[in-house]
Parts: sequence; C-alpha cells; structure tokens
Amino acid sequence: AQKVTQVQTEISVVEKEDVTLDCVYETRDTTYYLFWYKQPPSGELVFLIRRNSFDEQNEISGRYSWNFQKSTSSFNFTITASQVVDSAVYFCALSDGPGYSSASKIIFGSGTRLSIRP
Amino acid sequence: NAGVTQTPKFQVLKTGQSMTLQCAQDMNHNSMYWYRQDPGMGLRLIYYSASEGTTDKGEVPNGYNVSRLNKREFSLRLESAAPSQTSVYFCATRDPLRAYEQYFGPGTRLTVT
Repeated sequence: AQKVTQVQTEISVVEKEDVTLDCVYETRDTTYYLFWYKQPPSGELVFLIRRNSFDEQNEISGRYSWNFQKSTSSFNFTITASQVVDSAVYFCALSDGPGYSSASKIIFGSGTRLSIRP
Repeated sequence: NAGVTQTPKFQVLKTGQSMTLQCAQDMNHNSMYWYRQDPGMGLRLIYYSASEGTTDKGEVPNGYNVSRLNKREFSLRLESAAPSQTSVYFCATRDPLRAYEQYFGPGTRLTVT
C-alpha cells in the first residue's frame, strides 16, 4: 500500500533561518510521482513541485530546494533564509500507479505546519 | 478560465440532513477527485473519477456518494449528514500533460451540528 509520512507536525523558526521539512514515502510501484503543495492561511492549495521516480536530481527554485533520495524513500524540502510569508502548511504527496494513468490516485501526507517568527 | 470552482463555500447542516457539493472545471481534464481535510490528518481521498461515467472509492468513501455528470462536473452527496463529516472539502482535477499535477478548487467548509 502507498503511504506518505511527514513526521514533523509543526515547526517554528525565526525568520532568515533555514528549515527542512521531511517526507518519507512507501510504494511498491517502480514508476511514481512525488509532489509538494503549500497551503497558506487563506486555505487554497498551491502546487510547488513534482518529481518522477526516475529523476533523482535535486532541484532548486529560488529559496526552495528539494532532495529526492530513492535509497531512503525520502523527498525532503528545504527553505533557505525563511521569510514570514513562508508560514503555511506544507503537504508531501505520492501518486500511485503508472505515471500516465488517468486512474492513478494521489495520496497526501498529514502535513507540516511551518511558522516563521519575525 | 475559472479553473476549478466549488459551491457552496460554506454550509451548516443539522445531523440527518442531506446536501450536494458541486464541483466544476473548465480545463478539459478527464480526472476529478474529492478530498476532505481534517486538522492533523492532511487530505484524504473520498472518491475519484478517472473519466466521464466512471467513479471509484478512495480512502474514506463511507457516508458519501458521487456523480460524474459530464466531463466538467463531479458532485459529492451526503445523504444523511453526521457530525463526523464536519470538514473542509476540496475538489481537484488532474492534468495529464503536466505529469498529472493536480489543480484544486477553493474548498467548501461544512459544519454538521
């Protein structure tokens, strides 16, 4: 069965600190997709990144970076020089089944609430 | 383009009442999903529809029914609401051209008293 675990339920750091959100997943599929979503206090869900199981390159987008390691089934998310606007709940998610199957589902972790203090 | 729209935005029901949550998309995506979000539990999949005319159960389908009316619309029905169904409900679609990235509606906050 597919499973996504985000062990950190809440993290609080002071602005400008770096922070890493952990995500560990379980799947029997050889082809799968991993995602990160952000949910700010306004409540909408904002897509951040997708990574397929064949691409283990790390990715950087501005202050955001993602570290995908198949050997440890982890897809961690780091915010460098955090800002108050980064305060949100962050969800890691896993798409089961073949990547191009219209019927495949996305399973979400329980989320990490990140608070950035000024 | 409106993307994914949901109605209503807020709803209060009494135990035993029924209601239908509406979802519509104008992105021409085949796949549509209903999730519920509860504090500390992330998003849990209720039902999904891979294409018009098909629906499948997700993780927590009990107490709900769905209808994929056409390619644009996917509704979620609570036949006899219970306090345990108090939650925020999100509808989503999935884009096959972007490695199945999901697009979410704004959510419906439902309270059952």
